Amino acid sequence: AQSVTQLGSHVSVSEGALVLLRCNYSSSVPPYLFWYVQYPNQGLQLLLKYTTGATLVKGINGFEAEFKKSETSFHLTKPSAHMSDAAEYFCAVTSRGYQKVTFGTGTKLQVIP
Amino acid sequence: DAGVIQSPRHEVTEMGQEVTLRCKPISGHNSLFWYRQTMMRGLELLIYFNNNVPIDDSGMPEDRFSAKMPNASFSTLKIQPSEPRDSAVYFCASSFGAGNYEQYFGPGTRLTVT
Repeated sequence: AQSVTQLGSHVSVSEGALVLLRCNYSSSVPPYLFWYVQYPNQGLQLLLKYTTGATLVKGINGFEAEFKKSETSFHLTKPSAHMSDAAEYFCAVTSRGYQKVTFGTGTKLQVIP
Repeated sequence: DAGVIQSPRHEVTEMGQEVTLRCKPISGHNSLFWYRQTMMRGLELLIYFNNNVPIDDSGMPEDRFSAKMPNASFSTLKIQPSEPRDSAVYFCASSFGAGNYEQYFGPGTRLTVT
């Protein structure tokens, strides 16, 4: 079985500050990891993904995440928060050959002017 | 591409009525997923199809829920009879398998059962 744990259901940062959203996963096989973003009244859209290869992955809107196997983590970061980053962020896990994706409970990011 | 299309966007119905939600996946995608999102339970996978065949329906809450995918471009999720606790946002997502795994979500259907 696979699972993800997102630490902090709500995170607040000041505009221009570092964004750090935490995700830890559990998987008995090599994981494929994703971050999705959901803006109000919209569906989820993919921010970035890790499958194999480089452990630091870059996504849209200046976000990036680093796969750390030793820590079973896949934290999402952005150097400087923008007001438009306010949304809910979901970490997700699956594995090769297994199309079912397990989503975390989400973290709502608030950006304070 | 138009993306995943869901209809209706909003549905308000009375308890006991039948509700049908519709989804058109992205052309060429061979997997389709139905999710339910609520404040209390978060995002739950209800069922998913691969090449129009239901693969895993373990997330379907009970027999009142049923889903079909008669062809590669259309799927329905039906609730009969509906209950107030079914109120949620229902999302459809599609993906192209063969090592991709990215899911593309539709805008969702907000269902309110009174």
